Amino acid sequence: AAGVIQSPRHLIKEKRETATLKCYPIPRHDTVYWYQQGPGQDPQFLISFYEKMQSDKGSIPDRFSAQQFSDYHSELNMSSLELGDSALYFCASSLEGYGEQFFGPGTRLTVL
Amino acid sequence: AQSVSQHNHHVILSEAASLELGCNYSYGGTVNLFWYVQYPGQHLQLLLKYFSGDPLVKGIKGFEAEFIKSKFSFNLRKPSVQWSDTAEYFCAVRRNSGYALNFGKGTSLLVTP
Repeated sequence: AAGVIQSPRHLIKEKRETATLKCYPIPRHDTVYWYQQGPGQDPQFLISFYEKMQSDKGSIPDRFSAQQFSDYHSELNMSSLELGDSALYFCASSLEGYGEQFFGPGTRLTVL
Repeated sequence: AQSVSQHNHHVILSEAASLELGCNYSYGGTVNLFWYVQYPGQHLQLLLKYFSGDPLVKGIKGFEAEFIKSKFSFNLRKPSVQWSDTAEYFCAVRRNSGYALNFGKGTSLLVTP
């Protein structure tokens, strides 16, 4: 079965640079979620989109922005990167109203 | 503050031992409850979920969990663990009115041969 696809899988950036993470949901899923998992931490919800509109917002820094496109894929844009942004970024998708979120393999971002 | 609490941060068991991981939440209203597993270096995988109905839910790989509404708990159990169950286990709660999953801090399970 098709799963959530995230790219890139690994990303290394310098401080103050920008990064763009991409997420391709499971076909027919219309809701996308972004989570950040720091080393040894639990995943923290950042933001979600349903039918291309922001549906919920968590602890997403102002330096980050995200959107969902007409094909339902989503991009997380991160600017002015800081060392503390180094983490695993998970995307998940679901079928609205169903509730079960399926997670992608994550993008490991390292900020040097 | 609303939260999800997992009581055990690190658990070490021998193969064939029984497992119970505690999870309590403090959200009011209707919630959906989940247990996710994260094997080393891998992404989160759903073990089981509770939305409504029978409070005893069965998941994959022999895991089950019981929702006790009066105790705001959703404990994970497995009668006999295997070495391959070594992983991080996360309890998560989703309010029925929301989208986000709120995770507990996780329990690291090590199963020794």
